[in-house]
Amino acid sequence: DIQMTQSPSTLSASVGDRVTITCRASQSISRWLAWYQQKPGKAPKLLIYDASSLGSGVPSRFSGSGSGTEFTLTISSLQPDDFLTYYCQQYNTYPPTFGQGTKLEIK
Amino acid sequence: EVQLVESGGGLVQPGRSLRLSCAASGFTFDDYGMHWVRQAPGKGLEWVSGIGWNSGIIGYADSVKGRFTISRDNAKNSLYLQMNSLRPEDTALFFCAKEKNKKGQSDAFDIWGQGTMVTVSS
Repeated sequence: DIQMTQSPSTLSASVGDRVTITCRASQSISRWLAWYQQKPGKAPKLLIYDASSLGSGVPSRFSGSGSGTEFTLTISSLQPDDFLTYYCQQYNTYPPTFGQGTKLEIK
Repeated sequence: EVQLVESGGGLVQPGRSLRLSCAASGFTFDDYGMHWVRQAPGKGLEWVSGIGWNSGIIGYADSVKGRFTISRDNAKNSLYLQMNSLRPEDTALFFCAKEKNKKGQSDAFDIWGQGTMVTVSS
């Protein structure tokens, strides 16, 4: 199975900051990567698919980049609603696999 | 409105069985691959099982292989997960999720249900 490793596990930041979360795959997954945002106890929401395409209704402050084995999710200017947990997921190869998550905390 | 609604969760003793259902609406169900993803309390997301739009692809996580069976009834717009020989480590919130693109091989999950809680305990 392809292993997905996110860093950092926890990120402390302030409203208005620009932040970047990294996701590394154990082998090349081309551009078949998604990013999800999750509120506690709720279903994940698709933010980014195919590494850099914005999901439906997702604000433009979210962006994704990368290919092969290294990917990033960037939030250009943090808003109060953004302090949640983020997961990457590869869907290049079955089984699809998730990263362990990055919790974004208010500094 | 595109919607997925899970049901069938509950408290069950170790070794027993449970069947989860996911009712789909607002889209042409038989055009899309579907998946089950779970989340243990305080933990991350774990893919459990998936089934292609035409049931041509079926996959399971190693942790559930041989115990869980995924199926779909396109006439009823429903996805199922039969869970046998349940273990305490299966305790989790189970989500069903829809693939983003029609008739794909593998894809991101664009629609998720609200989840149904499964608790395995004596």
